[in-house]
Amino acid sequence: DAKTTQPTSMDCAEGRAANLPCNHSTISGNEYVYWYRQIHSQGPQYIIHGLKNNETNEMASLIITEDRKSSTLILPHATLRDTAVYYCIVRVTGNQFYFGTGTSLTVIP
Amino acid sequence: DTGVSQDPRHKITKRGQNVTFRCDPISEHNRLYWYRQTLGQGPEFLTYFQNEAQLEKSRLLSDRFSAERPKGSFSTLEIQRTEQGDSAMYLCASSPYTYEQYFGPGTRLTVT
Repeated sequence: DAKTTQPTSMDCAEGRAANLPCNHSTISGNEYVYWYRQIHSQGPQYIIHGLKNNETNEMASLIITEDRKSSTLILPHATLRDTAVYYCIVRVTGNQFYFGTGTSLTVIP
Repeated sequence: DTGVSQDPRHKITKRGQNVTFRCDPISEHNRLYWYRQTLGQGPEFLTYFQNEAQLEKSRLLSDRFSAERPKGSFSTLEIQRTEQGDSAMYLCASSPYTYEQYFGPGTRLTVT
């Protein structure tokens, strides 16, 4: 089954870029990588997704390696409100998605 | 508020009792998911509906768990004969597409 591996925790200074890595070496060739975040006591929130090319939206950028075995989520100018657990997600099968344990990002003033 | 709502937000029950949770998805979203989340872990897939049809269930889902989505609108998740290991946050999400799921605030279940 497809799985993901992420660092347990990371710190980032406010105003700096936060780079969150994810390994997904077992991902299928035609499957997307999805990123969500979960702020304490809330449900997860969609951030971005990608297949092969780099993607950018108003929240973040997603860089996917050419071999698609890993990706990096970039928050260009982290704020205190970006403190959350970030999940790199892949599809296991059908409509079943694997969230893993995520990376707890703390933005430091 | 037009987001996903869940009821109740908190439920405390005694071991062996049955509990039922409700999820009201965003209207027009035909896809609905249930997840379970324990402390320090990410959400774990339980089941998926497309309209009123339950199309997928986790192979880890016990026979004590059942979910319905009559008429393709709200959904219920029932746990029979609750066990202490069922204590968790139960999350519901709805989606118009595969890639963007909108999550509700969850129902926190405590089994004593």
